[in-house]
Amino acid sequence: AQRVTQPEKLLSVFKGAPVELKCNYSYSGSPELFWYVQYSRQRLQLLLRHISRESIKGFTADLNKGETSFHLKKPFAQEEDSAMYYCALTGGSYIPTFGRGTSLIVHP
Amino acid sequence: DAGVIQSPRHEVTEMGQEVTLRCKPISGHDYLFWYRQTMMRGLELLIYFNNNVPIDDSGMPEDRFSAKMPNASFSTLKIQPSEPRDSAVYFCASRGTGMETEAFFGQGTRLTVV
Repeated sequence: AQRVTQPEKLLSVFKGAPVELKCNYSYSGSPELFWYVQYSRQRLQLLLRHISRESIKGFTADLNKGETSFHLKKPFAQEEDSAMYYCALTGGSYIPTFGRGTSLIVHP
Repeated sequence: DAGVIQSPRHEVTEMGQEVTLRCKPISGHDYLFWYRQTMMRGLELLIYFNNNVPIDDSGMPEDRFSAKMPNASFSTLKIQPSEPRDSAVYFCASRGTGMETEAFFGQGTRLTVV
């Protein structure tokens, strides 16, 4: 079985502060991991995927297989980063499993 | 491609009425998913199809929920009869099995049952 845990429902920071949204997973094989972002009342859209090892909008995420984690980080949060963030895992079944989501609020 | 298209965007209905939500996946994608999003439970997978065939409907909450995919470009999620606790945002998503491995989501249907 595959499982994704996002321990924080809400993360509140001030503009310019570092941000880390936590994601832990459980999967016996080699997972594909993703972060999706959902701005207010919009569709979920892909933010980044671990195989690309890219930085999008200043966000990065590193897969740590030892800790089974895929935390999302940004060194300096911006107000426009306020959104809902979902961590997702796809195993061999092609079916994405999502975490419960973390609501990020960036205060001015 | 215009992406995953869902209709309607908003639906308000009275308890007991039948509700039908519609989805057009991205052309060429052979997986289609229906999710329900609520504050309490987050994103829940209700059912998914592979090549138009329902594979796993274990997430469908009750027999009042049913889903069909008559062809590769159309799927419906039906609730009959609807209840206030069905109020949520329902998302349809699709994905292929090629290089793009992420799921692409529609705009969602915001359902309110009064």
